[in-house]
Amino acid sequence: AQSVAQPEDQVNVAEGNPLTVKCTYSVSGNPYLFWYVQYPNRGLQFLLKYITGDNLVKGSYGFEAEFNKSQTSFHLKKPSALVSDSALYFCAVRDKDTGFQKLVFGTGTRLLVSP
Amino acid sequence: AAGVIQSPRHLIKEKRETATLKCYPIPRHDTVYWYQQGPGQDPQFLISFYEKMQSDKGSIPDRFSAQQFSDYHSELNMSSLELGDSALYFCASSSERGGSTDTQYFGPGTRLTVL
Repeated sequence: AQSVAQPEDQVNVAEGNPLTVKCTYSVSGNPYLFWYVQYPNRGLQFLLKYITGDNLVKGSYGFEAEFNKSQTSFHLKKPSALVSDSALYFCAVRDKDTGFQKLVFGTGTRLLVSP
Repeated sequence: AAGVIQSPRHLIKEKRETATLKCYPIPRHDTVYWYQQGPGQDPQFLISFYEKMQSDKGSIPDRFSAQQFSDYHSELNMSSLELGDSALYFCASSSERGGSTDTQYFGPGTRLTVL
């Protein structure tokens, strides 16, 4: 069965500093990995995904993530945080090899960027 | 760009009543997914449809049913509502045609409150 772990409930960072939101995954086959962001009372907005190819993927709003197969990780990063990045971030995995389409989400990490 | 449309955005029901949630996918998307997000929880997969056929099933109660119509919109029917059904219900859509793995784009959600 697929699973995702986001070990930090909350990450605090000062504006202008780099940020990292951690994610590790478990799948029986090869993973498709995604990051979504959720603002209060809003839907999930797609940030970026890893399907295949380069381990470093770049996404919306200056975010990027690095796929590390040996560590089964897909950490979200941004070189310089903005106050407007404050939101709830979800990592999700889909098992490429089972053919099942569902996304399995982590429990989410709340990012707070202080001015 | 067109996004996923969900209606209604808010719904208040009494226990044991029924509810119908509607989802209109992004044009040319052939797959629709339903997720349930309880308060402070991560989204949980309920069910998905590809080309009007059920393609995957998650933790959907027997009291719930869903279908995808010829115009690709989908409806989630919920009967004998319980207090625990109060949640945010998301619909997502993607294009899986030809075996491709596209991103799931989420709608704004329907907030269901059961009193």
